[in-house]
Amino acid sequence: DGGITQSPKYLFRKEGQNVTLSCEQNLNHDAMYWYRQDPGQGLRLIYYSQIVNDFQKGDIAEGYSVSREKKESFPLTVTSAQKNPTAFYLCASSTRVGRTSQHFGDGTRLSIL
Amino acid sequence: AQTVTQSQPEMSVQEAETVTLSCTYDTSESDYYLFWYKQPPSRQMILVIRQEAYKQQNATENRFSVNFQKAAKSFSLKISDSQLGDAAMYFCAYDRGYSTLTFGKGTMLLVSP
Repeated sequence: DGGITQSPKYLFRKEGQNVTLSCEQNLNHDAMYWYRQDPGQGLRLIYYSQIVNDFQKGDIAEGYSVSREKKESFPLTVTSAQKNPTAFYLCASSTRVGRTSQHFGDGTRLSIL
Repeated sequence: AQTVTQSQPEMSVQEAETVTLSCTYDTSESDYYLFWYKQPPSRQMILVIRQEAYKQQNATENRFSVNFQKAAKSFSLKISDSQLGDAAMYFCAYDRGYSTLTFGKGTMLLVSP
């Protein structure tokens, strides 16, 4: 079955460390997205990519970085510059940006040790 | 910037009853798309229903229907014959048609036997 796989499900980070969250899709979608979810905040867009080797900042990109070297993969790195990284992170994909619904992964919970 | 407002942080309904979740949005666009997503305790985001602004007919998916009032910029979700499995956080989202989604902060729906 086609879908989006996020790993790991839970991730712990020490102060000053970078960590990378994985997102893989086999839906043949061109567009991929990363969201952060905090209690009472809904979903906020971190980065998105419309096509391989291209990506744009979302509303809260500071302290995060991404790459899109393959159509299927869109990893998110939470850098040490992100001062409050504890949150639930969701990856999504769609056939294109705009006009279509997004398919979501199961999410990764990141916590600070 | 577009904003999406869900004014009900929490709603309760009994099984088999009907409940309506509210959503308003702010836009200057004439053609756009609106979505309702459901997030159960598993935290995976699931598309419930989609509405295209240029279509006057309200979208319906089984027990789920919307009341789309374009002039009032209102997009409410009606759940009929509520089931225990409907208990979840519900998010309203706006899409300009050429850009990314803007989500509301969500409404938690509680369903009691």
